[in-house]
Amino acid sequence: DTGVSQDPRHKITKRGQNVTFRCDPISEHNRLYWYRQTLGQGPEFLTYFQNEAQLEKSRLLSDRFSAERPKGSFSTLEIQRTEQGDSAMYLCASSHPGGGLYNEQFFGPGTRLTVL
Amino acid sequence: QKEVEQNSGPLSVPEGAIASLNCTYSDRGSQSFFWYRQYSGKSPELIMSIYSNGDKEDGRFTAQLNKASQYVSLLIRDSQPSDSATYLCAVLNSGAGSYQLTFGKGTKLSVIP
Repeated sequence: DTGVSQDPRHKITKRGQNVTFRCDPISEHNRLYWYRQTLGQGPEFLTYFQNEAQLEKSRLLSDRFSAERPKGSFSTLEIQRTEQGDSAMYLCASSHPGGGLYNEQFFGPGTRLTVL
Repeated sequence: QKEVEQNSGPLSVPEGAIASLNCTYSDRGSQSFFWYRQYSGKSPELIMSIYSNGDKEDGRFTAQLNKASQYVSLLIRDSQPSDSATYLCAVLNSGAGSYQLTFGKGTKLSVIP
């Protein structure tokens, strides 16, 4: 396993711009998750995919946020009209289809977003 | 509102001592419990998973779960300076059809050489 990968690792943008992040899960992991983490806090759940289907969305995921996983492999998270409050580490995780109690989620390195 | 509570620390222990990290959770339906280690500026790394009441040992780490008390802990034996990090407790209630982890804010551990 090469692990979960995310791109870019860092993104600086101006308020009002759109940004897109990519996540490649561990191969054969059919579940993929997006979380957001701000300084001093634990990660907060944003959304979850099983294969290409988006099965859960947090109320934190406002209409400016959209996530896709078109072929059930990599996923993208887009933030439109960024705000300074969007500055955070965006984390992607994946888990094995074994699921159930053994739904261990493995995180990628994250994308650190700074909105100026 | 599902909540996971951890003492934010910092918890300071001397090298070689046992570090004890604690976590309580509010959702009685929670089934799976995880400890992640997070170094400053890095992403969380899974170090322990536990699903049944009792103890689970893996090397220098022991996770303890008491569902009746809604309490989970992590013991780190023979603490090393490299163990200095923030430890995140996470809880999963997959029985409700949800696979989202609920995290605590983390406990910062400092191991003093």
